[in-house]
Amino acid sequence: QKEVEQNSGPLSVPEGAIASLNCTYSDRGSQSFFWYRQYSGKSPELIMFIYSNGDKEDGRFTAQLNKASQYVSLLIRDSQPSDSATYLCAVNLEGWRGSARQLTFGSGTQLTVLP
Amino acid sequence: GAVVSQHPSRVICKSGTSVKIECRSLDFQATTMFWYRQFPKQSLMLMATSNEGSKATYEQGVEKDKFLINHASLTLSTLTVTSAHPEDSSFYICSARHKMNTEAFFGQGTRLTVV
Repeated sequence: QKEVEQNSGPLSVPEGAIASLNCTYSDRGSQSFFWYRQYSGKSPELIMFIYSNGDKEDGRFTAQLNKASQYVSLLIRDSQPSDSATYLCAVNLEGWRGSARQLTFGSGTQLTVLP
Repeated sequence: GAVVSQHPSRVICKSGTSVKIECRSLDFQATTMFWYRQFPKQSLMLMATSNEGSKATYEQGVEKDKFLINHASLTLSTLTVTSAHPEDSSFYICSARHKMNTEAFFGQGTRLTVV
């Protein structure tokens, strides 16, 4: 079983719709959770992090964490074509500002927002 | 966020030669730098962790004699791929952290093609 699993997609949504990206993890000791966006040929850029159960909102992005079920999701509201990218989920065994040494990445979900 | 500059962004080299990739933290002192490798449509895989002034810690399966890492200053780490082979062709990404318990920032990545 992979430590961090994501549906590889591709996931296609129409412009203006809500895109929902999901991630499950196997280690119950995971403490913090990150969503990165990676455009083709580019390095990942951090979108959000979350470490408490529940929802965390930042603009059009909402991260949702459920530690009991060991999943974390990312919702993108009012999706735009510029949101088309691969979204990487990463988990960290330490605190919310923990060492990237323990960052474990999922394989990513490819999102396409259709104009 | 902080800026991490990686150079070159793309490099093509002949099989058997060596290639050096530089990772610089431009506006902070990076006590720890991380080197990742990403094959197409796959996740980021941590290769090694380097702390300024000390030897790098390599992940299992990564050959330390093939992937030489030098972190001689607080703003520069280098990865040298020695005797490169076509199977070393990949996207190499560095990230840097300036002190314990802070997030790490990614460089732009280097696309290495060995022909």
